[in-house]
Amino acid sequence: KNQVEQSPQSLIILEGKNCTLQCNYTVSPFSNLRWYKQDTGRGPVSLTIMTFSENTKSNGRYTATLDADTKQSSLHITASQLSDSASYICVVREGDNTDKLIFGTGTRLQVFP
Amino acid sequence: EAQVTQNPRYLITVTGKKLTVTCSQNMNHEYMSWYRQDPGLGLRQIYYSMNVEVTDKGDVPEGYKVSRKEKRNFPLILESPSPNQTSLYFCASSLFGSVSYNEQFFGPGTRLTVL
Repeated sequence: KNQVEQSPQSLIILEGKNCTLQCNYTVSPFSNLRWYKQDTGRGPVSLTIMTFSENTKSNGRYTATLDADTKQSSLHITASQLSDSASYICVVREGDNTDKLIFGTGTRLQVFP
Repeated sequence: EAQVTQNPRYLITVTGKKLTVTCSQNMNHEYMSWYRQDPGLGLRQIYYSMNVEVTDKGDVPEGYKVSRKEKRNFPLILESPSPNQTSLYFCASSLFGSVSYNEQFFGPGTRLTVL
């Protein structure tokens, strides 16, 4: 069964600290992997999209890595800010023809001053 | 402003009373989709549409209907809502469903409570 699993479920850090969120997937066939940020009560917003040939991709203070061999991805947040408090969802696109996305359950990040 | 809009944002209804949640996008996207989000579960796809007059079931289609008569609109219909359809619903769209790299844009969500 195609699945996306994320860890940890929740995380609390202090403002200015770094953190890393993990994602493991078993989706096949694999097309690409995405990280979304979802603020409370709002729709998810895309942070990065990575294909199997991309190992690292950055978007400001967010850096995503992908190891297609081990089927693992991570999202590293540098110098966290209060506005980073949100759920971060790992999403894998299955195949190439239907834009079908398999969603992880997300990591709930809280950044405290 | 390019966006996906949903209405209503919040809705409380009773079992069996038909309702429609509207979704509209102004980006000329071909692909549109409906998801539901429940605590402890990832977003799950209800229905999707690759283009006008083309719709297909997602992972959890039971109890829902959709239509795609025009490109910009993709309403979600609950003919006879039940309490297990209480959830947070998201509409999303992307340029082409068949292109792997295109981004899906999500609406703001509709929180539905069925009593």
